Amino acid sequence: AQTVTQSQPEMSVQEAETVTLSCTYDTSESNYYLFWYKQPPSRQMILVIRQEAYKQQNATENRFSVNFQKAAKSFSLKISDSQLGDTAMYFCAFIAGGTSYGKLTFGQGTILTVHP
Amino acid sequence: DTGVSQDPRHKITKRGQNVTFRCDPISEHNRLYWYRQTLGQGPEFLTYFQNEAQLEKSRLLSDRFSAERPKGSFSTLEIQRTEQGDSAMYLCASSLVQAVTSGNTIYFGEGSWLTVV
Repeated sequence: AQTVTQSQPEMSVQEAETVTLSCTYDTSESNYYLFWYKQPPSRQMILVIRQEAYKQQNATENRFSVNFQKAAKSFSLKISDSQLGDTAMYFCAFIAGGTSYGKLTFGQGTILTVHP
Repeated sequence: DTGVSQDPRHKITKRGQNVTFRCDPISEHNRLYWYRQTLGQGPEFLTYFQNEAQLEKSRLLSDRFSAERPKGSFSTLEIQRTEQGDSAMYLCASSLVQAVTSGNTIYFGEGSWLTVV
């Protein structure tokens, strides 16, 4: 069974600054994907960034980037130039590849507040 | 493309009543998933369909929970004899089956909040 752990229940950052959210996971799978999802208050969950386990290069999407350390089973999210609209709950999630795809395992979430 | 839509968005029911939630996935998506999310926690997988076939239902929380996707399009999640512990948000998501090998995005709806009083 896979587990995903987010050890930071809450984080805050000033607008325009950089913040890093932590995530660790445990799995025996070799083929898997990792995601960061954002869930604004009372709004739907949207994908922020995705990382394929077989890729060594860290994924980047505009202001969002990850630090994927496969051996350490660590997958942190860095948000640069934080904006007020980044305020949300952030979930780290794991999914095994292959036929079991679809069964996302989520962490407990980190509430991020961006202050003006 | 209107995204994944769920109905109702909010439901308050008395303990012991039955409730049903509906999910309409993105039109071309053949995989549909149900998750449950309690306050302050990450979503928890319940079940999923590929077209009309329910591929896994072992994670449904009890035999009071059932899901259907009769024509491979929309899906319903029914909770019978609701209990206060069933209070949560029920999330639906969808994807293409090709996501299996490509890691494509799973798209979520806005969820259906259930409060059992």
